[in-house]
Amino acid sequence: GQNIDQPTEMTATEGAIVQINCTYQTSGFNGLFWYQQHAGEAPTFLSYNVLDGLEEKGRFSSFLSRSKGYSYLLLKELQMKDSASYLCAVHNDYKLSFGAGTTVTVRA
Amino acid sequence: DAGVTQSPTHLIKTRGQQVTLRCSPKSGHDTVSWYQQALGQGPQFIFQYYEEEERQRGNFPDRFSGHQFPNYSSELNVNALLLGDSALYLCASSAWGNQPQHFGDGTRLSIL
Repeated sequence: GQNIDQPTEMTATEGAIVQINCTYQTSGFNGLFWYQQHAGEAPTFLSYNVLDGLEEKGRFSSFLSRSKGYSYLLLKELQMKDSASYLCAVHNDYKLSFGAGTTVTVRA
Repeated sequence: DAGVTQSPTHLIKTRGQQVTLRCSPKSGHDTVSWYQQALGQGPQFIFQYYEEEERQRGNFPDRFSGHQFPNYSSELNVNALLLGDSALYLCASSAWGNQPQHFGDGTRLSIL
């Protein structure tokens, strides 16, 4: 089976840093994705980790530890537009298995 | 370069009816996956199509079926609609052997 856990909600101040954790237990693993989804919109791709370590892309970074079944998404220099749901997804065979998403609220 | 397009945007049906949702993949993509997203939840995998065949299927009943056409576009059909089928239906496309999956804006299906 697939078990992917992430916090339900997080709140942070504009300009701050927030770290969204994701733990997973899955029957297979090809890689881990992070997507951003604004309310009423489609998920948009943020990052993809296949190997252990940190991937940095502008204000967003993602980390993976396959042995621990753990990933995090780091959002730096938060902006109001970063208020959204962040979805952790494990790539296994041909499909993506998603967590329930973490709603991040950025306050002024 | 058009991204993934889905139609219709919104749809209202009643219990027992049938519905067909459509998806055109991003240019250069040949693989289409369908997901169901209930309110407040992450997307759940329904199935994936490649070379006009269903390659993998999630835990959805046979009421959910699909098709892929030679131009890589795809349809999702749901028969005997239930209230619990109300959700956002997302189509995602990718190039075989390459990620990530790119999502369309979805079809919001409401069952009355």
